[in-house]
Amino acid sequence: EIVLTQSPGTLSLSPGERATLSCRATQSVSSNYLAWYQQNPGQVPRLLIFNTSRRATGVPDRFSGSGSGTDFTLTISRLEPEDFAVYYCQQYGSSPWTFGQGTKVEIK
Amino acid sequence: QVQLQESGPGLVKPSETLSLTCTVSGGSISNYFWSWIRQPPGKGLEWIGHIYRSGITKFNPSLTSRVTMSLDTSLSQFSLKLSSVTAADTAVYYCATQSGPYFSFDLWGRGTLVTVSS
Repeated sequence: EIVLTQSPGTLSLSPGERATLSCRATQSVSSNYLAWYQQNPGQVPRLLIFNTSRRATGVPDRFSGSGSGTDFTLTISRLEPEDFAVYYCQQYGSSPWTFGQGTKVEIK
Repeated sequence: QVQLQESGPGLVKPSETLSLTCTVSGGSISNYFWSWIRQPPGKGLEWIGHIYRSGITKFNPSLTSRVTMSLDTSLSQFSLKLSSVTAADTAVYYCATQSGPYFSFDLWGRGTLVTVSS
């Protein structure tokens, strides 16, 4: 099983700032099949990025994904108020599909 | 637009079997892989497993001995059974699927909280 470790656990930033979230895998993610989700309290996870860098339908272009192999990054170029949430990475290159433990982006 | 809705008991006794159903509307249940994902309160997400239209299933090895999934195409429903539950199985259970060829989940039900308690 591939274990995904996200860092930092919490990111304290102000609106307008740039956020950089990391996701590291214990082994190479096949075909770079890695996704990112956003979850607000009490809400359903929302797919932001799939296949490392492809934005899901309706996702603003301030969200971007990059990386390969074992190291992946989600970048939010300029934080909007609605972006303060918890973000999870997920790999689907090797079964079982696994998720990271999450990074909380909070208002500083 | 495909929509998913979970249903089932919100309270299950320890050692009993948790049973949930997901009803699919707005699309054919024959076209996708259908997954269950859970999230304990305040914690992260765990993929439980999925079922395909042919009845083929794949489960998370951490749960495989306790999980059963089934599909009823006539009712556009798929189901999860998790046996011998403990308090550690208390979670919000989501049904989810993907609209494309990749196993990233862009379609989710609202989730249902299942509490394991006597």
